[in-house]
Amino acid sequence: GQNIDQPTEMTATEGAIVQINCTYQTSGFNGLFWYQQHAGEAPTFLSYNVLDGLEEKGRFSSFLSRSKGYSYLLLKELQMKDSASYLCAVEYNQGGKLIFGQGTELSVKP
Amino acid sequence: EPEVTQTPSHQVTQMGQEVILRCVPISNHLYFYWYRQILGQKVEFLVSFYNNEISEKSEIFDDQFSVERPDGSNFTLKIRSTKLEDSAMYFCAGLAGAPMGSYEQYFGPGTRLTVT
Repeated sequence: GQNIDQPTEMTATEGAIVQINCTYQTSGFNGLFWYQQHAGEAPTFLSYNVLDGLEEKGRFSSFLSRSKGYSYLLLKELQMKDSASYLCAVEYNQGGKLIFGQGTELSVKP
Repeated sequence: EPEVTQTPSHQVTQMGQEVILRCVPISNHLYFYWYRQILGQKVEFLVSFYNNEISEKSEIFDDQFSVERPDGSNFTLKIRSTKLEDSAMYFCAGLAGAPMGSYEQYFGPGTRLTVT
């Protein structure tokens, strides 16, 4: 199968840094996406990785290791509004379809 | 900034009834997708559509489901005879470039389908 694994929930403090990990099966891998989803809303795009390394975008960064089937999303200077579910999604076989993980529910506390 | 739109935002229907969920993708998008998310569960791929035909579908997308793009603008998902387990949030998504893993998929706001 094409299982995407990420922690179910995490808690962090406002102003801190948090890292959300994601592991996936490497066969047929074509790219990895991170989305943010607030309750009752649509996923919104955060980042995309296709090559190994770190992609930085403001307070958010995403890392990929293709050989290890591993990615993480790093959120810096956490704000209360960052409380949301963070979805790791993998595109397999250049078809465009995304396979999503269960999502990591992040709670940011004052 | 252009957006994907979906109507209705919420649809309540009785079991066995047909429903049509509508999406208007961003105008320069060429690839279209439907996903669903049952409450509390992960987002699941249903179907991808390109060049007026289905390019891939999941096991969920059985004979009760169909998609079409009748007028080059709307992209619809039809469920012929709804079941209780079809209750979910349905998201339409679109992609501008070739699905080579180089572009983000833009999601619509979703339609919440409740089957009673």
